[in-house]
Amino acid sequence: KQEVTQIPAALSVPEGENLVLNCSFTDSAIYNLQWFRQDPGKGLTSLLLIQSSQREQTSGRLNASLDKSSGRSTLYIAASQPGDSATYLCAVSFRSNDYKLSFGAGTTVTVRA
Amino acid sequence: DAGVIQSPRHEVTEMGQEVTLRCKPISGHNSLFWYRQTMMRGLELLIYFNNNVPIDDSGMPEDRFSAKMPNASFSTLKIQPSEPRDSAVYFCASSFGPGGNQPQHFGDGTRLSIL
Repeated sequence: KQEVTQIPAALSVPEGENLVLNCSFTDSAIYNLQWFRQDPGKGLTSLLLIQSSQREQTSGRLNASLDKSSGRSTLYIAASQPGDSATYLCAVSFRSNDYKLSFGAGTTVTVRA
Repeated sequence: DAGVIQSPRHEVTEMGQEVTLRCKPISGHNSLFWYRQTMMRGLELLIYFNNNVPIDDSGMPEDRFSAKMPNASFSTLKIQPSEPRDSAVYFCASSFGPGGNQPQHFGDGTRLSIL
């Protein structure tokens, strides 16, 4: 079974600290990996998409890395702000069904002012 | 850019009633997805359409669930009859292109409560 795991389930940091969010997956035959942000009562917002041939993607303060051999991805958020408080979800599509996203349970982040 | 539009935002109804959820994808997107989110099971794909054709409905839980996409700008998810265990947040998402190479854009969801 193709599983996606996110640890920890929740994280609280003071403003200004760098955030490190982890995602692991059980099948190395991935198609791509996406990081999403979900605010309470809202849908998911796509943050970064990493193709299987890529090692990382960057957008502003966000950087996501992908290591297929170890089945891991890490999302780094530099210089966190209270507005970064949200739930972050990792989603993986596998080559067997490239459109189908398998989601992790998410990491809920609180950035304290 | 209007984004993916879902209606209603909230629906509360009694067990046994028919429920219809609606979705308008982003113009130009030809892939549409319906998801369900619960605390217990997280986000699950229910059905995937490409160019208005259902490609994968293996996630539809039972025959009580049906989905249609009569044209490129509209889709419905129907539950008949509804049951309390159907209570969840239902999301519609769309993307450009048939595969998983493009980000999926989500609507704000419909929060469904079946009493």
